[in-house]
Amino acid sequence: GAVVSQHPSRVICKSGTSVKIECRSLDFQATTMFWYRQFPKQSLMLMATSNEGSKATYEQGVEKDKFLINHASLTLSTLTVASAHPEDSSFYICSARDMASGDKTQYFGPGTRLLVL
Amino acid sequence: DAKTTQPTSMDCAEGRAANLPCNHSTISGNEYVYWYRQIHSQGPQYIIHGLKNNETNEMASLIITEDRKSSTLILPHATLRDTAVYYCIVLDQTGANNLFFGTGTRLTVIP
Repeated sequence: GAVVSQHPSRVICKSGTSVKIECRSLDFQATTMFWYRQFPKQSLMLMATSNEGSKATYEQGVEKDKFLINHASLTLSTLTVASAHPEDSSFYICSARDMASGDKTQYFGPGTRLLVL
Repeated sequence: DAKTTQPTSMDCAEGRAANLPCNHSTISGNEYVYWYRQIHSQGPQYIIHGLKNNETNEMASLIITEDRKSSTLILPHATLRDTAVYYCIVLDQTGANNLFFGTGTRLTVIP
């Protein structure tokens, strides 16, 4: 149980284009999902907390107009990187929490590797 | 804002128990100890968590000291597939519940 998927697994795009990444909880419902970013040889950094039916909460230094988050259902959150540039190239990982569970364990997706040329 | 300290790296022989320590001397009463691991180029994998009592599941055992200031994750019979970065994280179950990853311990299982 507690499986989280991401799509696509990797994407290469030209500078200036927008890229959408999907995060789905496959066997549970999640009112809260999280988006992380990981640069090479570094640890995961939380970007934002995505709440179903409401606005996302962004961490300090993360531009909300560049990283657009939509959490339209209890099983799907999307991250759109608007007008991507080479410095946005990174490993993007989402996680989700099972709303039916009594604890706050987060289950992670496999990640999406973004390369902006 | 590092709440945990872990050794940077450890080696373990295949088939032996891997014991990964973590110090969390400023842990508060509401905070659980969580362990995740990240195999290269994959998303983190949940391993185990606990509050006060020792915990065991199909993956590992978690030993928490009585004063809760440190803990040890035990992989009873390490395999090559256990080579990964292991993260020890303290999480307040009542607050915002954001996981903050430190640098973790890079465990290398040696044949």
